[in-house]
Amino acid sequence: ETGVTQSPTHLIKTRGQQVTLRCSSQSGHNTVSWYQQALGQGPQFIFQYYREEENGRGNFPPRFSGLQFPNYSSELNVNALELDDSALYLCASSSIGDHGELFFGEGSRLTVL
Amino acid sequence: GENVEQHPSTLSVQEGDSAVIKCTYSDSASNYFPWYKQELGKGPQLIIDIRSNVGEKKDQRIAVTLNKTAKHFSLHITETQPEDSAVYFCAASNTGNQFYFGTGTSLTVIP
Repeated sequence: ETGVTQSPTHLIKTRGQQVTLRCSSQSGHNTVSWYQQALGQGPQFIFQYYREEENGRGNFPPRFSGLQFPNYSSELNVNALELDDSALYLCASSSIGDHGELFFGEGSRLTVL
Repeated sequence: GENVEQHPSTLSVQEGDSAVIKCTYSDSASNYFPWYKQELGKGPQLIIDIRSNVGEKKDQRIAVTLNKTAKHFSLHITETQPEDSAVYFCAASNTGNQFYFGTGTSLTVIP
């Protein structure tokens, strides 16, 4: 069973730039969720993708956008980066329907300077 | 929206003692309450969960209790071991797609 993998693991950007983070979901899962985890805080829901469409969104501005591909992998795009976007971005895969266990990847650590 | 509060933020126990972490939630519609363990440099990993139709669930040294009336749930770890040292997060969900997490408890088990 292949787990959730994320890339890159670390990256540094400057304010105003754009970033794309990638996630491969666990084998057998059709749903991908993205969470932002600021230092010392719990993860905060950004959005979820199911069948290549957004299936719920948290309190994040439109400059946070995503994609899900036919193979269930996903991308998180953040435009016009701000200093407060510095965080660990976690991808989690699950199966839609019942409250599915979230399987998290190890995250992408983004630093915005 | 849902608001999950978690206490304490840090907890130190002697090896072999018990550890208890408590969470409260605000949305009475929440019906699924997982607990995650996050080790340094890793993503959160589910350790136990409970649904609103159950009051208690146990898995070896770990147990979770839920009081729907008071809107709180707790994680109990017995016979703690050094490898239990990590950050623990509670979460609540009512839709299955959005999980609301607490702010975490850093548990240190002293050998």
